[in-house]
Amino acid sequence: EPEVTQTPSHQVTQMGQEVILRCVPISNHLYFYWYRQILGQKVEFLVSFYNNEISEKSEIFDDQFSVERPDGSNFTLKIRSTKLEDSAMYFCASSERPGGGAPLHFGNGTRLTVT
Amino acid sequence: DAKTTQPPSMDCAEGRAANLPCNHSTISGNEYVYWYRQIHSQGPQYIIHGLKNNETNEMASLIITEDRKSSTLILPHATLRDTAVYYCIVRVALSGNTPLVFGKGTRLSVIA
Repeated sequence: EPEVTQTPSHQVTQMGQEVILRCVPISNHLYFYWYRQILGQKVEFLVSFYNNEISEKSEIFDDQFSVERPDGSNFTLKIRSTKLEDSAMYFCASSERPGGGAPLHFGNGTRLTVT
Repeated sequence: DAKTTQPPSMDCAEGRAANLPCNHSTISGNEYVYWYRQIHSQGPQYIIHGLKNNETNEMASLIITEDRKSSTLILPHATLRDTAVYYCIVRVALSGNTPLVFGKGTRLSVIA
């Protein structure tokens, strides 16, 4: 069964450094999302993306964050200057078509640790 | 914020049916009911979704009340591997990539 893959599985970085988290969505999917989950807390929406544009973003997704689809297969989340509170699991998701009737399929996440 | 209410935890004996309830009394006619689960710290896993009718797939059944204000996810024969946090989510059916909004879910423990 096709799946969303994320790399790396674990990233450790120092405060103030830039990190790029990578995702390969399911191949025929066109709608992409990033979520995060701080340890012990809820899964939180960050951003949705379609046709090389951000469709919607949460208040968490501030100027320190950016997303990009650099080629036909990858979808990335960049954090420009990491803070301690950015430590979390980051999940990428994709869906085949628009609308509430198309489920999101999630990857198994990247654990980001900021020291 | 999540528009659903779920019990924080439930237990189920292995091999028995697990019935997970969800209240969504403010649901609109154009909103789907989705169920996901999260095993330990893995990514959320899609289980099933429905609009008005009951749905069944290889993983579970979804029973939606006639007034659509509540639903039940049924795992017919729970196994230890079904131990997870289960999320009931209401999602608007508009076009566009509307996000899922996760609540705290129900922590299901399947006991041998």
